[in-house]
Amino acid sequence: DQQVKQNSPSLSVQEGRISILNCDYTNSMFDYFLWYKKYPAEGPTFLISISSIKDKNEDGRFTVFLNKSAKHLSLHIVPSQPGDSAVYFCAASVDSSGTYKYIFGTGTRLKVLA
Amino acid sequence: EPEVTQTPSHQVTQMGQEVILRCVPISNHLYFYWYRQILGQKVEFLVSFYNNEISEKSEIFDDQFSVERPDGSNFTLKIRSTKLEDSAMYFCASRGIPSPLHFGNGTRLTVT
Repeated sequence: DQQVKQNSPSLSVQEGRISILNCDYTNSMFDYFLWYKKYPAEGPTFLISISSIKDKNEDGRFTVFLNKSAKHLSLHIVPSQPGDSAVYFCAASVDSSGTYKYIFGTGTRLKVLA
Repeated sequence: EPEVTQTPSHQVTQMGQEVILRCVPISNHLYFYWYRQILGQKVEFLVSFYNNEISEKSEIFDDQFSVERPDGSNFTLKIRSTKLEDSAMYFCASRGIPSPLHFGNGTRLTVT
């Protein structure tokens, strides 16, 4: 039962261009969404989040968009830099027992070409 | 910036042996988690822990698994009798209120 899906396993983008990473979810009870970045041999690092009451959140080069009707969120990185090359996971949380268990997608490997 | 620390970074064990993975969460955090990632697959939730008890656990977290917060700083995951399919990266995470999950760098468990 894959409640959070990232259908693109990989993405290559030229340095300076926009990277768009996509994520779909099936559970309408999710109320908090996050993006994490992961480098090899490290744990996931929090990047940006969005609450279900918003449709956009921006932090520097990173913007997350949420389309609740389509159950879709996306992460935009602009301009993309070689250091952005990593695996990006979207995650969604369900407030079950108030513990905010996060469900992760399968990840998208982003490669930014210099 | 405070961080979640995990030890060891790599653990090799024989099938059937017990392992204990250790974590020191961020000091003022209240919620603690274990996740795992089998090579090339997604990060999977194992268990959440709050107020000295398990809040929620996944179907992966069967009777072979247990968690403990033996003192004010450590949070451990024990696998009683390891199986080959337990080989994975195990990530500890913690969070405060409100804050996103902060992950450690993981322990790579290899069961031979």
